[in-house]
Amino acid sequence: AQSVTQPDIHITVSEGASLELRCNYSYGATPYLFWYVQSPGQGLQLLLKYFSGDTLVQGIKGFEAEFKRSQSSFNLRKPSVHWSDAAEYFCAVGNYNTDKLIFGTGTRLQVFP
Amino acid sequence: DADVTQTPRNRITKTGKRIMLECSQTKGHDRMYWYRQDPGLGLRLIYYSFDVKDINKGEISDGYSVSRQAQAKFSLSLESAIPNQTALYFCATSEGQGPNYEQYFGPGTRLTVT
Repeated sequence: AQSVTQPDIHITVSEGASLELRCNYSYGATPYLFWYVQSPGQGLQLLLKYFSGDTLVQGIKGFEAEFKRSQSSFNLRKPSVHWSDAAEYFCAVGNYNTDKLIFGTGTRLQVFP
Repeated sequence: DADVTQTPRNRITKTGKRIMLECSQTKGHDRMYWYRQDPGLGLRLIYYSFDVKDINKGEISDGYSVSRQAQAKFSLSLESAIPNQTALYFCATSEGQGPNYEQYFGPGTRLTVT
């Protein structure tokens, strides 16, 4: 069965620092991987997705993620965090045969000035 | 105007009451979904619908029912609410199946069952 693990429940960084949020997945075939962001009081917004091709994908708001099959990981990165990036981030896995997305438990990002 | 709207945004209800959460979309998408979000558990799929005549159970459908009144409307009902249904509920839509089709989420309904 598919599953997603986000090992970090809560991360705190200073504004301007680099960021990496971890995501590990379990899936037998090639997964489709997504990162969503949920700002306070808002729904989820898609940051980026991977399903084939270049393993480094660029998303909105300056985020990128790298698919590493050997490590079953899809970590989200940003070189310089802004205070507006404070939010909850969800990794999700899906596949072509179903509409279902399996979400991780989320990582809450706090940004200090 | 928002493409996916949910009403109400917040609701407090008592155990045993029937409650309906509504979702409307102006994106013209056929696929609609209901998720619940609990702290530490992420989002879990309750029901999904491919079109007005096609409704499917998700991973946690017990205690819930849905109605797809039209392409644009998908309602979630709790026939007899219980406290462990206290959660944040999200509706989402999608144009199609597979990774090329993003799911678009509404702003959520915070439900508290006392």
